Amino acid sequence: GIQVEQSPPDLILQEGANSTLRCNFSDSVNNLQWFHQNPWGQLINLFYIPSGTKQNGRLSATTVATERYSLLYISSSQTTDSGVYFCAVKNQGGKLIFGQGTELSVKP
Amino acid sequence: GEEVAQTPKHLVRGEGQKAKLYCAPIKGHSYVFWYQQVLKNEFKFLISFQNENVFDETGMPKERFSAKCLPNSPCSLEIQATKLEDSAVYFCASSQGTSGVSSYNEQFFGPGTRLTVL
Repeated sequence: GIQVEQSPPDLILQEGANSTLRCNFSDSVNNLQWFHQNPWGQLINLFYIPSGTKQNGRLSATTVATERYSLLYISSSQTTDSGVYFCAVKNQGGKLIFGQGTELSVKP
Repeated sequence: GEEVAQTPKHLVRGEGQKAKLYCAPIKGHSYVFWYQQVLKNEFKFLISFQNENVFDETGMPKERFSAKCLPNSPCSLEIQATKLEDSAVYFCASSQGTSGVSSYNEQFFGPGTRLTVL
């Protein structure tokens, strides 16, 4: 089945810093989603982005489907950005395959 | 509703007891998915439904797990004779569609049910 790898596994930032999270996948996909799991365990949808670039406030994402990777950019990070960021993909059927996540800690 | 609803938030069971979890998908969504988050960062797909029909059950441990989505009722996931390793957070998600490349395929997740088996 399709493999999803995220990097880095952990990231510590000072408030105000920028960061880039990466998601590599092993096969073509027709769905790619980025989620933020906050410290309370809630999974928040950030982007549905099987290809192209999207922006939402301080967050943006780019998926290069032909090269099988996606990037999530966080600018001017805030302590509320802390949590785990997951990339999840789907190629056939309906189920999402999740990466192992990037655990982000933003220090004040 | 506008969000996926899951009940209960927490469930504690002794080993061998039954556990039943419920999920109400977003109104108008035809697909329901169940995922299990074990440890902190590992998600495992269990089963999906298209309306009341099983769509994909390749992730279900057949012996003790069962699930249903009946008309006009919340979907349910039931675990008979729970084991310690069933301790996890169980997430339900829903989407409008699931084929091709379309924003209809975006899955939205509920808040999860934390199951603790003692």
